[in-house]
Amino acid sequence: QVQLQQWGAGLLKPSETLSLTCGVYGGSVRDYYWSWIRQHPGKGLEWIGEIKPTGNTDYNPSLKSRVTISVDTSKNQFSLELTSVTAADTAVYYCAREEATSWSLDYWGQGSLVTVSS
Amino acid sequence: DIVMTQTPLSSPVTLGQPASISCNSSQSLVHRDGNTYLSWLQQRPGQPPRLLIYKISNRFSGVPDRFSGSGAGSDFTLKISRVEAEDVGVYYCTQATHNPWTFGQGTKVEIK
Repeated sequence: QVQLQQWGAGLLKPSETLSLTCGVYGGSVRDYYWSWIRQHPGKGLEWIGEIKPTGNTDYNPSLKSRVTISVDTSKNQFSLELTSVTAADTAVYYCAREEATSWSLDYWGQGSLVTVSS
Repeated sequence: DIVMTQTPLSSPVTLGQPASISCNSSQSLVHRDGNTYLSWLQQRPGQPPRLLIYKISNRFSGVPDRFSGSGAGSDFTLKISRVEAEDVGVYYCTQATHNPWTFGQGTKVEIK
């Protein structure tokens, strides 16, 4: 059974960089695509981007200039960085596995609340 | 971006009765490879989303058979044949055919 465990700083000041990591257990990070999704308080879901086994990435154009998703195969984990955060980036951030043939998000992390406040 | 519109936004249901959620996309979700990458997620209160249905009508592992998906092109439906207490939550449709992935605004299923 695949499990995703995520961690990172939960409180940031405006202009700082959000950094989250998602550890993959019960499977190899080399074998799948991996995504980050966020959910603003009381709102719906927003796809941030994905990283492929090749290391290639795709990002939501709305965030592309500030986002980097990377993978560390030696630690079997992948990470999200979002630069120059503002209060509008306050959200619960989720990591998720993307199943390769169905293009669905089949396993999710527990979520990390990130609050941006001065 | 593809806009995913769900109706209704709220669905009060009596236990044991059916529920139905519609999802309409602003463009066809048929990919050039012939597949339609439309899935449904369930988010119980305080929990991360959970995959229910992928590629319109395929139930994910462990999902009860009271959940079913149907549709084609740009119109899709999620049905719960007999709602149980554990089905309370918000349901989202999502598309991966077009970049970026987008989600519906969510439909809240609650017990009357």
